[in-house]
Amino acid sequence: QSVLTQPPSVSGAPGQRVTISCTGNSSNIGAGFDVHWYQQVLGTAPRLFIYGSDNRPSGVPDRFSVSKSGTSASLAITGLQAEDEADYYCQSYDSSLSDWIFGGGTKLTVL
Amino acid sequence: EAQLLESGGNLVQPGGSLRLSCAASGFTFDRYAMSWVRQAPGKGLEWVSTISGSGGSTYYAESVKGRLTISRDNSKNTVFLLMNSLRAEDTAVYYCARAKVPTSRSWFHHYMDVWGKGTTVTVS
Repeated sequence: QSVLTQPPSVSGAPGQRVTISCTGNSSNIGAGFDVHWYQQVLGTAPRLFIYGSDNRPSGVPDRFSVSKSGTSASLAITGLQAEDEADYYCQSYDSSLSDWIFGGGTKLTVL
Repeated sequence: EAQLLESGGNLVQPGGSLRLSCAASGFTFDRYAMSWVRQAPGKGLEWVSTISGSGGSTYYAESVKGRLTISRDNSKNTVFLLMNSLRAEDTAVYYCARAKVPTSRSWFHHYMDVWGKGTTVTVS
């Protein structure tokens, strides 16, 4: 069971807005450690998607944005497209465990 | 372009050993910490280990401490993961990743900005 909790799945129709939550505690997100997001398309390696406050590697559209408050973070996707279908993982550091940690992952389905 | 290529994955019996390698290219290798992340079949990502750019500092997940050893050879731009006393629960795809520290932030805030394609370890 992951220290960072994500919903197992979310879905939306093309053009809609969806959000993926990442809930931690006072030892990780609540302690001020950065949250980063990765995308993994089925059968491929993960790739860095958004890092820190809202930084995108080249090629990641600005339809994706992140926010953070207290012990939680969120990834928001507007104007959902079929190509967005993938697994999304949040990642941070936990000072209690002295480990870098991932959320359990969320499968995004575009209906 | 920065690239990572893992190798060494195989089928091994419980209690056996294996050494994974990750060859880096396209960037100044010794300026970056490197990590291993694994993914069991049908499961999520799990951080395994990280080594500093000089190799002087290493970090391990509790689940692998004492059994897995990370090392690097900066003259060959390669990072290794020596796996001993392997268990069925070590079965996974093992990814090598480059660790990038955000500007003006401490080491603990790092993210993994370059990933290899992975190598498969099966313990059975």
